[in-house]
Amino acid sequence: EDQVTQSPEALRLQEGESSSLNCSYTVSGLRGLFWYRQDPGKGPEFLFTLYSAGEEKEKERLKATLTKKESFLHITAPKPEDSATYLCAVQAKNNNNDMRFGAGTRLTVKP
Amino acid sequence: SQTIHQWPATLVQPVGSPLSLECTVEGTSNPNLYWYRQAAGRGLQLLFYSVGIGQISSEVPQNLSASRPQDRQFILSSKKLLLSDSGFYLCARDRGRYNTEAFFGQGTRLTVV
Repeated sequence: EDQVTQSPEALRLQEGESSSLNCSYTVSGLRGLFWYRQDPGKGPEFLFTLYSAGEEKEKERLKATLTKKESFLHITAPKPEDSATYLCAVQAKNNNNDMRFGAGTRLTVKP
Repeated sequence: SQTIHQWPATLVQPVGSPLSLECTVEGTSNPNLYWYRQAAGRGLQLLFYSVGIGQISSEVPQNLSASRPQDRQFILSSKKLLLSDSGFYLCARDRGRYNTEAFFGQGTRLTVV
């Protein structure tokens, strides 16, 4: 069964303190791995799609990387506005209409 | 634009009452549409998806149903709500191709009392 595990559950950083969020996955043939940002009471906002091991994508202070077993979301010099829950999801090749989500990492960046 | 309109934003309903949540989408035609439920501290759970008008697939047995009467309209319903139906409901769409991200609406917070 496809599984996605995100760690840590919660992360508190000082402004400017870089760190990484982890997404470990088990899937029978990866079609794509997705990162989303979700603010409280809002729908998830798409950040990145990664398709194959070794791929990297960047957007402002965020950088997502992918291996065959996990993905990392690196946050460089975070700001308070980066505070949100970050969700990881995978889509399997044999299941085109389902994304399996992790429970998310709740990030708090203190000024 | 892949805008998704979802309403209402919040809803409080008594046990046993009916439910109708509506989602309409903009952008490319014939999108795949999805209903997800998010419980506190847990990942999103796929409830239904639709690949076209009148075509609904259910991922989990439940007290809810879905319909797609038009290409850009997706409705989540229940005849009699249960306490366990409380949650955050999200409508989503993709572009109808493989390897494509989903875009989400702003969600409906449903509380069944």
